[in-house]
This record gives sequence, C-alpha cells and structure tokens, in this order.
Amino acid sequence: DTAVSQTPKYLVTQMGNDKSIKCEQNLGHDTMYWYKQDSKKFLKIMFSYNNKELIINETVPNRFSPKSPDKAHLNLHINSLELGDSAVYFCASSHSGGYNEQFFGPGTRLTVL
Amino acid sequence: AQRVTQPEKLLSVFKGAPVELKCNYSYSGSPELFWYVQYSRQRLQLLLRHISRESIKGFTADLNKGETSFHLKKPFAQEEDSAMYYCALSGTGGGNKLTFGTGTQLKVEL
Repeated sequence: DTAVSQTPKYLVTQMGNDKSIKCEQNLGHDTMYWYKQDSKKFLKIMFSYNNKELIINETVPNRFSPKSPDKAHLNLHINSLELGDSAVYFCASSHSGGYNEQFFGPGTRLTVL
Repeated sequence: AQRVTQPEKLLSVFKGAPVELKCNYSYSGSPELFWYVQYSRQRLQLLLRHISRESIKGFTADLNKGETSFHLKKPFAQEEDSAMYYCALSGTGGGNKLTFGTGTQLKVEL
C-alpha cells in the first residue's frame, strides 16, 4: 500500500515530557514536510527536508527537532512539551518542485495535559 | 511574503445548489495555487491545482491574477462534497513551501 504513514495516531502526554512522532513514505519522493494543525484547523508548515537536508524551518521553537535518517523517513522529536503544543501534526511528502502535489499522512493528534 | 485568505469559515448550502468557496492570495511572484480537501476522518488530499486546469468531482477553479483570486466552484452541490476545503499557495523558490488558508468547512444539506 503506497502512502505516507505516521505513528502514533494519538499521543497523550504530560507537560514537560519528550516525545517523538515518526513518518515514513514509500512513494519515492525526495521531499518531506511537517505541518501543524491547531484547534481552529489552521495548517502551518513547520519544516521541510529535501534529500535529508533541512530546507524550510518556519520559526519553530528549538524544542522541536526534525530528523531525517533517509529520504523515506522524517521524524519529529519534541522536548519539554507545553500545553500549546497540543495539535494535530501532519507529515507530507512530494517530489521537489512547486507544482508537485504533496501527499499527506493521516495525522498524529497530540494532547498535552 | 505569501498569504492566503479564505474569508468564510463555514459555508452551508442545500444539495443541488451552486457552491463557491472564496480564496484570495498575496504573493509578489508567480504563484502556484491548489485546493486541498479533508473529508471527515480522512487525510488531507489534493483536489485540484491551477496549472492542470482540470475539473475534479465537478469542481473547477480559475486563477484570476488581476483579482488575485482562486475561487473554487461547483454548479450543483452533492452531499458527499461536505468537507473542509483549504486553498494553498506555493511560491517559486522556497523549497515547495505550501502556505494554507484558514480553511472553509462546506456543509451540504439535504
């Protein structure tokens, strides 16, 4: 099944904890992204990697650290979680080039208590 | 800076009525415009892009550079069109960065 997959689907944790979200794509794309969707359904890009290199970093607190071990994976590690980090995080991938469709994962709903 | 505005948070229409979801953008260069859709409990997926000039599921969108708009239209709404619709812009350069509007929830009532 060709797609973008994320784990876990749901993540509930306490303030101050460190957590990771994993993303994998088997579409042969060279570019991967993390987006954050807040409670008002507003979607905003956080990071983009092309061929394992960071190309977009949208003023995200440095508690968020993406890691791309290879072109097919882009993980997101979050340190010292805060209440405001509660959101749905979407991973996406595409071929490089602005015309190209981005394929999204199912999302990870993070709840920080 | 690139910006996308969707003025309506919620649009409610009756089945069979025409639909128009508004989108305006701000970008100094030549933008690529997209409409993405998120059906209930499904992932975000591309509906259409201006470069393709195609009609998908009866929806069309025309890029109007004079009015900096990319409104999404469908002549006759169907119940299965109920979803969240996002207009998005990709600027030339900038690594494929997609800037999304705030989204419009379309509700088609019987």
